[in-house]
Amino acid sequence: SQKIEQNSEALNIQEGKTATLTCNYTNYSPAYLQWYRQDPGRGPVFLLLIRENEKEKRKERLKVTFDTTLKQSLFHITASQPADSATYLCALDGGGYQKVTFGIGTKLQVIP
Amino acid sequence: NAGVTQTPKFQVLKTGQSMTLQCAQDMNHNSMYWYRQDPGMGLRLIYYSASEGTTDKGEVPNGYNVSRLNKREFSLRLESAAPSQTSVYFCASTRASLRETQYFGPGTRLLVL
Repeated sequence: SQKIEQNSEALNIQEGKTATLTCNYTNYSPAYLQWYRQDPGRGPVFLLLIRENEKEKRKERLKVTFDTTLKQSLFHITASQPADSATYLCALDGGGYQKVTFGIGTKLQVIP
Repeated sequence: NAGVTQTPKFQVLKTGQSMTLQCAQDMNHNSMYWYRQDPGMGLRLIYYSASEGTTDKGEVPNGYNVSRLNKREFSLRLESAAPSQTSVYFCASTRASLRETQYFGPGTRLLVL
């Protein structure tokens, strides 16, 4: 079965630095990968989607890369701010139009 | 435009009791989903409805039933709650499939004693 690993349970970085979160997967070649943000007590909010034929995607201070050879996606937040503190989830195409696999998330803390 | 709404926000049940979690979306989406989220585990799909009038099992359907009441509403029913069903439940919707942006509701926190 497909397995997703997100780089660590928590990541602390200084305000203004670039945060890099990792999503590794095994046993499958997904057609797409999504990143979501989740704040405590709230539902996930969609951030970015990247398809298997795209190497990189950007949205404002966010950048996602997708390396199908390494089976890895990197999620970058540049010029990080305390308001970026949240848990970030990656989700992979689960092998069908109505299948998805979510990682457990990485909790990011941006320290002022 | 409220997006995806869920009721109730929080519920405590005793083992064996039943309840229905309600979900509604106002984005005219065809597909709706129910997930559960547990500590140390990713979101797991319980059931989904690809379109009005259809429902299908997801990854963890045991102990649950669903109803797609109309295009807007998708409910999740626990017929006989068990402590293992203590979780946070999220409803989500997409225009057509999980290969697109999912819009999530705020969640229902369920505690089964």
